[in-house]
Amino acid sequence: AQSVTQLDSHVSVSEGTPVLLRCNYSSSYSPSLFWYVQHPNKGLQLLLKYTSAATLVKGINGFEAEFKKSETSFHLTKPSAHMSDAAEYFCVVSEMDTGRRALTFGSGTRLQVQP
Amino acid sequence: AAGVIQSPRHLIKEKRETATLKCYPIPRHDTVYWYQQGPGQDPQFLISFYEKMQSDKGSIPDRFSAQQFSDYHSELNMSSLELGDSALYFCASSQTRTSVDEQFFGPGTRLTVL
Repeated sequence: AQSVTQLDSHVSVSEGTPVLLRCNYSSSYSPSLFWYVQHPNKGLQLLLKYTSAATLVKGINGFEAEFKKSETSFHLTKPSAHMSDAAEYFCVVSEMDTGRRALTFGSGTRLQVQP
Repeated sequence: AAGVIQSPRHLIKEKRETATLKCYPIPRHDTVYWYQQGPGQDPQFLISFYEKMQSDKGSIPDRFSAQQFSDYHSELNMSSLELGDSALYFCASSQTRTSVDEQFFGPGTRLTVL
């Protein structure tokens, strides 16, 4: 069975400071991992994905994430937060090896960016 | 670039009524997924179709059914609606033969059951 745990339900940072959103995964097979962002009353947008290539993954809008198998983590970071980054962020896993392509979402982390 | 299209964007129904949600995947995408996101919740997988056949099933109630048509669009049919069915319903599509699980999401249909 696959699952993801987002360790913080809310994160608040000041504009211009670093962002860290934490995610741990549990998977029986080699997982594919994703971060999606959801702005209020909007759909889900893919930020970045890990699919067993480079462990450091760069995404859109300056976000990146590092896959650490020893720690079963896939934390999302950004060097400098912008007001427009305020949104809900979901860590997501799928197990392509099992043929199950449905995504399993974490419970989400709401990022607030203070001026 | 073309995106996933969902219709309607908003839908209001009474209890015990039926509703049909439609999803038009990105051209040349062969797989469609349906997810339900309740208020303040994370999206939950309902069902998926690959090449017009059901490929996976999640937490979809028996009152719901879905299918994928020859043009790859999909419809989610919901009967005997309950208050708890009020949610945002997302459709996503992927090109399974070549992708690595990247799913592209539509804007969602917000269903309100009164």
